[in-house]
Amino acid sequence: NAGVTQTPKFQVLKTGQSMTLQCAQDMNHNSMYWYRQDPGMGLRLIYYSASEGTTDKGEVPNGYNVSRLNKREFSLRLESAAPSQTSVYFCASNLEGSTEAFFGQGTRLTVV
Amino acid sequence: EDKVVQSPLSLVVHEGDTVTLNCSYEVTNFRSLLWYKQEKKAPTFLFMLTSSGIEKKSGRLSSILDKKELSSILNITATQTGDSAIYLCAVARYYGGSQGNLIFGKGTKLSVKP
Repeated sequence: NAGVTQTPKFQVLKTGQSMTLQCAQDMNHNSMYWYRQDPGMGLRLIYYSASEGTTDKGEVPNGYNVSRLNKREFSLRLESAAPSQTSVYFCASNLEGSTEAFFGQGTRLTVV
Repeated sequence: EDKVVQSPLSLVVHEGDTVTLNCSYEVTNFRSLLWYKQEKKAPTFLFMLTSSGIEKKSGRLSSILDKKELSSILNITATQTGDSAIYLCAVARYYGGSQGNLIFGKGTKLSVKP
């Protein structure tokens, strides 16, 4: 079982460049999430999608946009990357009615 | 503002020791409390707690929730070097149509020395 798959695993960007982080899940989950993890900060919610066709801001949405392409896929876009967005990004998903989230392997992003 | 606080932030023990990790929370629309273990990569699920006083166990790990005190503990007995990891506590809240919207603590970094 693939579970939650994120691409790419590593990325280095220059300040001002744009990129899209991809996430796909094969568990037929309704809800999907993007988190960032910084040293000493735990995981913080960037955006989430409670169901296909809906997206909402989390705790730290500034500088990001998302697209829920279909039930399986939820992408995170950085339009103009900044050094403050250097972080490890995790995608997660869960079934409707469940609170147990399943995580992807993460994307380590460095903005120089 | 919703928050989850873990203590201690780091802990060094020797193999065979027993450890207790703490998690307290102030969260509106509480749904459940979850514990995750994070080694190199993605957090992996340990426990989900929804009811007070019911201990969940998995091998040498156990956890219990106290909804009156808004807290939870994670116990690890007879620690092994493979238990070295960051242990994350998260609270799921009902928010914006989603029941899996998680608020994380900063984690407890556990190091187990041989």
